[in-house]
Amino acid sequence: GAVVSQHPSWVICKSGTSVKIECRSLDFQATTMFWYRQFPKQSLMLMATSNEGSKATYEQGVEKDKFLINHASLTLSTLTVTSAHPEDSSFYICSAYSADYSPLHFGNGTRLTVT
Amino acid sequence: GENVEQHPSTLSVQEGDSAVIKCTYSDSASNYFPWYKQELGKRPQLIIDIRSNVGEKKDQRIAVTLNKTAKHFSLHITETQPEDSAVYFCAASQGNSGYALNFGKGTSLLVTP
Repeated sequence: GAVVSQHPSWVICKSGTSVKIECRSLDFQATTMFWYRQFPKQSLMLMATSNEGSKATYEQGVEKDKFLINHASLTLSTLTVTSAHPEDSSFYICSAYSADYSPLHFGNGTRLTVT
Repeated sequence: GENVEQHPSTLSVQEGDSAVIKCTYSDSASNYFPWYKQELGKRPQLIIDIRSNVGEKKDQRIAVTLNKTAKHFSLHITETQPEDSAVYFCAASQGNSGYALNFGKGTSLLVTP
């Protein structure tokens, strides 16, 4: 149990375009999902906390208009990187929380490269 | 907010030796402390965790100790093997906040045969 699926696993896009990343909890309902970003050889930095049916809570320094998060159901959260720039190139990884399936479980991550 | 410090940033040991990674945290309200192993390009994998109501937890070759008074916790790997080579992250969170994790900067462990 407690499988988190993230799609796509890697994506290359051109500067100025938008990219959507999906995070799904496959066998449990996730009341909360978290989005992290990890630059090469660095730690995971929390970007935002997403609760089903409500607006995401963004960490300081993360632009909410650039990183759009939607958590429309208990099994799906999406992160859209809008107007991507090369500096947005990173490893984006989601995690999902459910009181029935603690601890936290991570998706496989999405490697985003903006050219 | 919570600040998690992790040391060392790199650690090289010979196969069969023990490895110890230490973390400190700042928020006394944190009560959940997981450790993750991450191989290159892959997701972090939980290897062990500890909650604030216990001081030590062991799972085969891996153990974690927690000192709440001093706000530090450590990962101990005994009888290291080359496949233990990876980046290890400690984290801290408040369990009742939906497990938003604050990560340390990571330790790159290299186990040489």
